[in-house]
This record gives sequence, C-alpha cells and structure tokens, in this order.
Amino acid sequence: DGGITQSPKYLFRKEGQNVTLSCEQNLNHDAMYWYRQDPGQGLRLIYYSQIVNDFQKGDIAEGYSVSREKKESFPLTVTSAQKNPTAFYLCASSTGRWSGELFFGEGSRLTVL
Amino acid sequence: ELKVEQNPLFLSMQEGKNYTIYCNYSTTSDRLYWYRQDPGKSLESLFVLLSNGAVKQEGRLMASLDTKARLSTLHITAAVHDLSATYFCAVVEVVDAGANSKLTFGKGITLSVRP
Repeated sequence: DGGITQSPKYLFRKEGQNVTLSCEQNLNHDAMYWYRQDPGQGLRLIYYSQIVNDFQKGDIAEGYSVSREKKESFPLTVTSAQKNPTAFYLCASSTGRWSGELFFGEGSRLTVL
Repeated sequence: ELKVEQNPLFLSMQEGKNYTIYCNYSTTSDRLYWYRQDPGKSLESLFVLLSNGAVKQEGRLMASLDTKARLSTLHITAAVHDLSATYFCAVVEVVDAGANSKLTFGKGITLSVRP
C-alpha cells in the first residue's frame, strides 16, 4: 500500500541533543513537507521540498534542518538550537507544491526531558 | 499574509442535532481543504474545494466554499459520537501566479458529541 511512514512514533531527547525524524513516502510524490503541531494550535510549516536536492524554509525553520537526497525521503533534524522542541511533528507529501491533496504520515511525538 | 480563522474553537454537540462550523480566510485563494484529526493521530483529508460555490458531501458532513465571501462552511447533519474530532481547514494562498503558493492552516475546531 502507498503511504507515508514516519519514525520513530515517540522520541525522548535530552536538552542539547540533536535528533533526526525520518519520513519516507512511496507515493512517487515530488513535494514533501514538515509541519509542527503544538497543543491547541494549527499546523506550522517548518520546511518544504519540491524536488530532490532542493528545499525551502517555512515559517518556523530556525533550529531545524532537512535534506532531500532521494525523492522518497525527507528527514528532519531537530537541533539543540531549537529552544522549545517538544511537539508533534507531521510529515506530508503531494504530487506538486501544494497541488492536489496533502497526504500526512502518522506523526512523531518528540519530548525533551 | 494569509490568515485563516476557524470558529468556534470548541463545540459541544448533542447527538442527532445539526450544526455548522466556519472557516474564514483573509486573501484570495483558489483552493481550500478540510481535514479531520483524532486525538494523538495524524490528519485525514475530508474535502478539497476548488471553486466558488463548490459543495461536497460525505456521509453526515457537507462542505461548501464561497470565494467571494472568503468563507467555507462545514455542516454536520444529525451528529453522532464518531464525528468527535478536531477539524482543520487549510487554504492555499496564491502569492505570485502560483510560483510561490503556500498552504496555511487554521487552528482547528474541536467537536465533541454528547448523548
């Protein structure tokens, strides 16, 4: 079945550590996105990528980094520079940049201890 | 900058009754999405509305779009417990002929259906 797989589902991190969240899709979509969701909030865009080896900052990119070396993969690194990283992280993909439907992964919940 | 507002933010519904929730946005757009999110889960696509006057229905939910008023409504018919969830609308903002379009989400409306 086609879809988006995020891992890990739950992750605990100590302050000062970098962590990487995985996002893999087998939908053959060109565009991929990372969103952050905080309790009672909508989704805020961290980074997006329209094509391999290219990505753009979203609204809250500070403290995060991404790569897009393969079409199907778009990992997100939460660095120690991110002041408040505890959140629910959602990866999504679409055929083109915000064209058609966005398909979301199951999410990764990051907690900083 | 596009702003997307949803109201109310929380709605307690009685089983069997009808309700309407709203999504307002501040600038021109040609696409609006409705998503559902269950607690702790991901987002599930409900509707994609692409033109003025578009109406889509799925089960007890019906969504419509008025691009002139910059308003989308989600109507719930005879609410049932299974509809308890948070509903997000998201709007595509056309920044410069689509070259730099951007999707902005509202904060979501949490619906709770009581017996």
